Amino acid sequence: AQKVTQAQTEISVVEKEDVTLDCVYETRDTTYYLFWYKQPPSGELVFLIRRNSFDEQNEISGRYSWNFQKSTSSFNFTITASQVVDSAVYFCALRVSGYSTLTFGKGTMLLVSP
Amino acid sequence: EAQVTQNPRYLITVTGKKLTVTCSQNMNHEYMSWYRQDPGLGLRQIYYSMNVEVTDKGDVPEGYKVSRKEKRNFPLILESPSPNQTSLYFCASSSRTGAISGNTIYFGEGSWLTVV
Repeated sequence: AQKVTQAQTEISVVEKEDVTLDCVYETRDTTYYLFWYKQPPSGELVFLIRRNSFDEQNEISGRYSWNFQKSTSSFNFTITASQVVDSAVYFCALRVSGYSTLTFGKGTMLLVSP
Repeated sequence: EAQVTQNPRYLITVTGKKLTVTCSQNMNHEYMSWYRQDPGLGLRQIYYSMNVEVTDKGDVPEGYKVSRKEKRNFPLILESPSPNQTSLYFCASSSRTGAISGNTIYFGEGSWLTVV
């Protein structure tokens, strides 16, 4: 069975601080896919990134960066110079090849104050 | 524009009154799925469908029914809603290849359902 753990339930930062959201996953499959989604207060799920298990390159997109480390089964998400608009719940999710279910972590609520 | 559309977005209903939450996608996707989101539990899959007339249970199927008569639609049916089905519901879709290979899953905007 798959499992995704987001140990940080809630994080509060002040604008312009950097913040890292942790994600640890468990799977016995060798081919799998990791995702991050953002859920703003309006409720919709916004896709941020997908990572394949065979691609450990880190990725940067503007103020967002992702650190994928298979050795520690982690897929952490860093926001640089946070902004109030980054306030949301962030979900990490895992899907194994050949299966349809997306296994979500319980989410981390990020609150960025001015 | 690629879209997954859910209706209604907000609904308050009473225990036992049958309701249907519709889901429609315009991307010709084979794979569709329903999730529910509850505080402290994240999102959990209710049912999924790999193609027309093919459906299967997810992690929390009790109290729900689905049907897939057309490729674009995947309604979620609550035959006799109970208060523990109060939740935020998401419909999702992706191409069949995507379902296997992990390509992007598109989510609807969510349906807030309250059962009193």
